[in-house]
Amino acid sequence: KQEVTQIPAALSVPEGENLVLNCSFTDSAIYNLQWFRQDPGKGLTSLLLIQSSQREQTSGRLNASLDKSSGRSTLYIAASQPGDSATYLCAVKRNTPLVFGKGTRLSVIA
Amino acid sequence: EAQVTQNPRYLITVTGKKLTVTCSQNMNHEYMSWYRQDPGLGLRQIYYSMNVEVTDKGDVPEGYKVSRKEKRNFPLILESPSPNQTSLYFCASSSRSRGGLKLPDTDTQYFGPGTRLTVL
Repeated sequence: KQEVTQIPAALSVPEGENLVLNCSFTDSAIYNLQWFRQDPGKGLTSLLLIQSSQREQTSGRLNASLDKSSGRSTLYIAASQPGDSATYLCAVKRNTPLVFGKGTRLSVIA
Repeated sequence: EAQVTQNPRYLITVTGKKLTVTCSQNMNHEYMSWYRQDPGLGLRQIYYSMNVEVTDKGDVPEGYKVSRKEKRNFPLILESPSPNQTSLYFCASSSRSRGGLKLPDTDTQYFGPGTRLTVL
């Protein structure tokens, strides 16, 4: 059964720092991997989706990479801002259901 | 505006009183699903639907029902709610690839704002 792990569970950084969030999965036969952002009490917002044939995706200050063979993905956030404070979730898809990690709670301190 | 809407956003009810949480999307997506989110357990899929009249169980379907009579709507039904169904519920939708053609947005999951359910 697919398991998704996100490390660290929580992270606090000063404003302006570059940071990396990690996601690992046990079954490398995935269809795609998606990174989400969740603000407290709110729904999930899709940040980036990487298809299994891709190595990375970029959107603004965000860059997500995928190493399917080793079962890892990273989300790189450049020049972090207080507005980036949220919980970041990764999810992998094979066939139909998404399998989510438990998330990394990020706090960016001004 | 492209969106997934859920109603109600907040609901407090009592054990055994049937309830329905509605979900609607305006993006003509084929795929819709329901998740529940619980502290320490993360997001878990309850049911999903690949298209109209096609539904299937996710990881935690017990105590829930769904229907997909129209493409845009995917209601979640709790016939006899119990306290262990107290949770934050999310509906999501996405488009699917067709004949191998993947549009840039294919498979991107769009989530509703969530429904916080408390069963006393």
